[in-house]
Amino acid sequence: ETGVTQTPRHLVMGMTNKKSLKCEQHLGHNAMYWYKQSAKKPLELMFVYSLEERVENNSVPSRFSPECPNSSHLFLHLHTLQPEDSALYLCASSQAASGNYNEQFFGPGTRLTVL
Amino acid sequence: AQKVTQAQTEISVVEKEDVTLDCVYETRDTTYYLFWYKQPPSGELVFLIRRNSFDEQNEISGRYSWNFQKSTSSFNFTITASQVVDSAVYFCALSEMDSNYQLIWGAGTKLIIKP
Repeated sequence: ETGVTQTPRHLVMGMTNKKSLKCEQHLGHNAMYWYKQSAKKPLELMFVYSLEERVENNSVPSRFSPECPNSSHLFLHLHTLQPEDSALYLCASSQAASGNYNEQFFGPGTRLTVL
Repeated sequence: AQKVTQAQTEISVVEKEDVTLDCVYETRDTTYYLFWYKQPPSGELVFLIRRNSFDEQNEISGRYSWNFQKSTSSFNFTITASQVVDSAVYFCALSEMDSNYQLIWGAGTKLIIKP
């Protein structure tokens, strides 16, 4: 595997289900991100992990719970979602450096549909 | 006010035409970075270019070229002799110290290249 991978690619869930999205990066990066992409909206940054610590949480509802067990893996645990949470969820990674910013590399995304 | 504005929601051209995608940004930082990403129908965001605020030289990469003008706060992207494979949504993004170097995204421009 190369780059950033995400599983599953598609997910349909009911509002009472619990599911998890998985992201894995094979680039040796030390920062990982979750984004939400809804139709006709700019990308919304949800969470940022740098060196496995959460450094950013952009007012995301608690029904979304991230987990970063190591620098290569990132999870997004989903619980009691709403239909408006249906979107493309993108994972990205980068080599974060203090006072600088490097390009992010993205996975293919998980297309989530909440019924 | 939006920090990154991509005023063109959708552009449609015939193959082999040149096309320019506009990006206007807003920042008070003197050090910042600008990016372009491509999102084909498969969903994965593909990094195209990063430019820092101190480098106003235009960049050319094959059929792609970028025009960075600090005087007008613009970072426009031109595709020469467009091809059907160029059809995608293109995003411009800004990274600045004020925002802790997180990417601030434009809304994207959908480019349709007709055969």
